[in-house]
Amino acid sequence: EPEVTQTPSHQVTQMGQEVILRCVPISNHLYFYWYRQILGQKVEFLVSFYNNEISEKSEIFDDQFSVERPDGSNFTLKIRSTKLEDSAMYFCASSRTVDAYEQYFGPGTRLTVT
Amino acid sequence: KNQVEQSPQSLIILEGKNCTLQCNYTVSPFSNLRWYKQDTGRGPVSLTIMTFSENTKSNGRYTATLDADTKQSSLHITASQLSDSASYICVVSYRGSTLGRLYFGRGTQLTVWP
Repeated sequence: EPEVTQTPSHQVTQMGQEVILRCVPISNHLYFYWYRQILGQKVEFLVSFYNNEISEKSEIFDDQFSVERPDGSNFTLKIRSTKLEDSAMYFCASSRTVDAYEQYFGPGTRLTVT
Repeated sequence: KNQVEQSPQSLIILEGKNCTLQCNYTVSPFSNLRWYKQDTGRGPVSLTIMTFSENTKSNGRYTATLDADTKQSSLHITASQLSDSASYICVVSYRGSTLGRLYFGRGTQLTVWP
């Protein structure tokens, strides 16, 4: 069964460094999302992406975040200058249709900022 | 403010017993409600999805109910198994979103003991 994959599974970085989290969505999906979950807290929406542009973003998704679909298969989340509070589990999701309930989630990347 | 609240926060039951998890939401306008199962360190996996016109939806031992008037949902698990130990998250889709914005509850941590 096709699935969303994410790499790396765990990333440790120093405060102020840039990180890129990678996702490979399900191949025939057209809509892509990033969510994050700070330890012990709710999953929070970050951004949705369609047709090579951001469709919607939350208040969390400020100028230090960016997303890209560089090569037609990968979908990346870049954090330009990481802060301690960026430490969280980051989930990528994709869907074939615009209907939100078809989203499939990846296993997540645990980001630890020291 | 769009919110999803779940109860109880955690629950311990014996294998073979049934349980019911609760979800209240204030997300409006509402599109659909889904229940996800999240194993520790993994991405959420969809169990059931209901639109505002549906009252109940089953998926094997999982049965979800929805009362769109009172903005309440429940997830009933019958004949629990050890593998049911996980966090169960209520997620509501916001109809005002252009694309795929989901609101997550904190989850109910279910532990099934042998």
